[in-house]
Amino acid sequence: GIQVEQSPPDLILQEGANSTLRCNFSDSVNNLQWFHQNPWGQLINLFYIPSGTKQNGRLSATTVATERYSLLYISSSQTTDSGVYFCAVAGYETSGSRLTFGEGTQLTVNP
Amino acid sequence: NAGVTQTPKFRVLKTGQSMTLLCAQDMNHEYMYWYRQDPGMGLRLIHYSVGEGTTAKGEVPDGYNVSRLKKQNFLLGLESAAPSQTSVYFCASRTSGTDTQYFGPGTRLTVL
Repeated sequence: GIQVEQSPPDLILQEGANSTLRCNFSDSVNNLQWFHQNPWGQLINLFYIPSGTKQNGRLSATTVATERYSLLYISSSQTTDSGVYFCAVAGYETSGSRLTFGEGTQLTVNP
Repeated sequence: NAGVTQTPKFRVLKTGQSMTLLCAQDMNHEYMYWYRQDPGMGLRLIHYSVGEGTTAKGEVPDGYNVSRLKKQNFLLGLESAAPSQTSVYFCASRTSGTDTQYFGPGTRLTVL
């Protein structure tokens, strides 16, 4: 199956800083999503982005499908951005669009 | 519109006991999924369903059974719980018109 690698595994920022999270995947995908898991455990869908670039407020994401990676940008970080960010993918041969998750990036934003 | 709900939120079992986790969605979604999340790891798919009356195995199905008798509900059963099944369980759903999955709040299960 598809392998998903996220980096860095941990990231500590001061409030106001910018950051880039990376997701590498081992095969062609037709589904790629970024999720934020807040400190209470809730998973929130940030982007559905199998290719191209999207922006939502201070967050943006870019997927370069031909090179098998995706980037999540967080600008002017806030303490509420803390939590774990997951990248999840599904390949063209995957029935039911089953997602394979990376191990996540633990982000801590300090005031 | 409650989205995806999970019952119960917390549960403690003894080894060998059985239980059923309930996932309910009110969005008329065709697809439903059960994942488990272990400390420091991403989510792993246990079972999924592409429609009412259908189920299929995911990445880690052993020790679990599922049923989808009604479109809005997806049940996850543990027949004989083991300590290795201590985890947080998430349910998700999506419609056939989009690949975006929506997640429930999770169930924290401890097996002693």
